Amino acid sequence: GQQLNQSPQSMFIQEGEDVSMNCTSSSIFNTWLWYKQEPGEGPVLLIALYKAGELTSNGRLTAQFGITRKDSFLNISASIPSDVGIYFCAGQLNRANFGNEKLTFGTGTRLTIIP
Amino acid sequence: DAGVIQSPRHEVTEMGQEVTLRCKPISGHDYLFWYRQTMMRGLELLIYFNNNVPIDDSGMPEDRFSAKMPNASFSTLKIQPSEPRDSAVYFCASSTTQRESYEQYFGPGTRLTVT
Repeated sequence: GQQLNQSPQSMFIQEGEDVSMNCTSSSIFNTWLWYKQEPGEGPVLLIALYKAGELTSNGRLTAQFGITRKDSFLNISASIPSDVGIYFCAGQLNRANFGNEKLTFGTGTRLTIIP
Repeated sequence: DAGVIQSPRHEVTEMGQEVTLRCKPISGHDYLFWYRQTMMRGLELLIYFNNNVPIDDSGMPEDRFSAKMPNASFSTLKIQPSEPRDSAVYFCASSTTQRESYEQYFGPGTRLTVT
């Protein structure tokens, strides 16, 4: 199935550094979601975006819905050890027909924090 | 509030055996999704239901896989007969679009190992 392109695939950073990752698609989306997954757990929803150009924050996390509707960005400021995990973007395609509730997931960005 | 509940958390079985995974969605949610996650293929949508009715099963790998939702609070994913290539983590997620929200909430997953 279709997947969104996420970059980078992995990041190794030091505690306190800021983190940026992005997600791109060849298709237009009208919803973007960002999830975090820790080992042995299911993905946990972090931020939801519903309008092109929207900028939304959740604590140290900030996400933006790209103006072209084909991309989204997630930033984490002042990283801490508990930020370790895999971050996934997910998009909902801009289709008017019933059955458009499916999400397409990105390939994930694995974040590792170096002590 | 209770989140999505899945059981069992871990399942180890021999090739050829029947496996049944169970899910209880968040109360009041009218959509239920089954996903499979592997290193090679990432998160794949297998099937989803709306108001207990299957809407899209195009992601179900083959006839060995079947899913049911007999009521709003319970769903099963069955694999019969199981094969080693079915080894993966299976997630259930639920959502509601009452407010045009497409936010899906995931359970903790079932890690299936077929030997």
